[in-house]
Order: sequence, then C-alpha cells, then structure tokens
Amino acid sequence: QVQLVQSGAEVKKPGASVKVSCKASGYRFSSHSITWVRQAPGQGLEWMGWISGYNGDTIYAPKFQGRVTMTTDTSTNTAYMELRSLRSDDTAMYYCAREGGVYVRFDPWGQGTLVTVSS
Amino acid sequence: DIQMTQSPSSLSASVGDRVTITCRASQSVSTYFNWYQHKPGKAPNLLIYAATTLQTGVPSRFSGSGSGTDFTLTISSLQPEDFATYYCQQTYSTPYTFGQGTKLEIK
Repeated sequence: QVQLVQSGAEVKKPGASVKVSCKASGYRFSSHSITWVRQAPGQGLEWMGWISGYNGDTIYAPKFQGRVTMTTDTSTNTAYMELRSLRSDDTAMYYCAREGGVYVRFDPWGQGTLVTVSS
Repeated sequence: DIQMTQSPSSLSASVGDRVTITCRASQSVSTYFNWYQHKPGKAPNLLIYAATTLQTGVPSRFSGSGSGTDFTLTISSLQPEDFATYYCQQTYSTPYTFGQGTKLEIK
C-alpha cells in the first residue's frame, strides 16, 4: 500500500536549520509530487510547497520562499524539506503528503514530524 | 492568495445527528476543492476531492457539494469516530490554502 514515513522529532535553537525526510513506498515515486504542510500548536493547516517526483521542480508558498528548500533523492524514493533561520513560531508538526490527480488532492499523508524551536 | 472561510468554527452534535459544514472561497475555485478530517495525534485524512467525489474507503455517510465559491460537507448520521476537526482546501491555484477548520465535538 502507499505509505509515507517521516523522520523523527527534532529540537532546534533559533537561527538553526532543520531537514525533515519523507520516504515513499508502494507507488512509482516519479509519478507524483510530494507536498509539505505544517500545523503550529492550536492552529490550522498551512501549505508550504511541493516538489515534483519526476524532475524536482518546486513551487514554494510565498511565506516560505527564500527560507525553505525541498529536494528529492530518487534512488531512495525520499523527499526532504529543509527550513532555515528557524524562529519560535516555526514550532509545528510538519507533514508530507503525496499530491496527485487532475483535481489535486493530498493522499496519503506521512505521520508527521514535530519540530520544536526553543532556546 | 485565495482565502477559505469555514463555518461554523466549532459545532456540538450528538451521535446520529445530520451535520453540515460550509466553506466559502474568496474567488471561484471551480471544483478544485477538497475536504479533510483530522484527529489529534493522527495525520489528516482525505474525505472528498473535486468537491463531490468520495475518496476510496470513506464511509458513504460523508458527502460533498458545491462549485465556484460555496461548498458543503454533510455527514448524514454522525458516528462516534467522526468527532474530529474538518478542513476545506482549494487547489485551484498556488499557494494552496485551507480553511481555518471546524471542530466537531460531542454534545
């Protein structure tokens, strides 16, 4: 079955960077994009951007442009999301999801990675 | 950016009730529109895509309607496992945006 497995929780200091991984299985990696969504404590879902599993093209939400980099490793079917210059308000659960369909939707989702930014 | 506004923000209901959640887009998104269910400690789960299409494996008590700017999620008969937060989403244009969520609680 299609599955996305994310890396474990991270604790970072303000100003540092974090890199979260998302390993895909059960489908042809190059046929779908991977999208990233985060949820801060007590807040809603926020889309960060996506990366093509086919050619690595990216689209980032303007809010994160310049601070986020999304990459893939097609040899291991793994997507990565790196966020730099971390602030306390970047503390959140970060999710990856498979994006697909003519009518784009996110399914399935990874289990989430908690990133805590604290001095 | 396209703004998505859900109502209500929270809702108390009983098992067996019929429940409706609405979502309005700040501009037309055609039917590039999805609904997700999110339970604490779990990943969000796709319920409805393309405004009206039930995702495989989702119970038929869930249904979606609408197009353009106004959309509705209906749960025909609430079950105990349906108490969660529900989010709408537009994928008409990037940045993709979500509604603020509707928390469905047990009365």
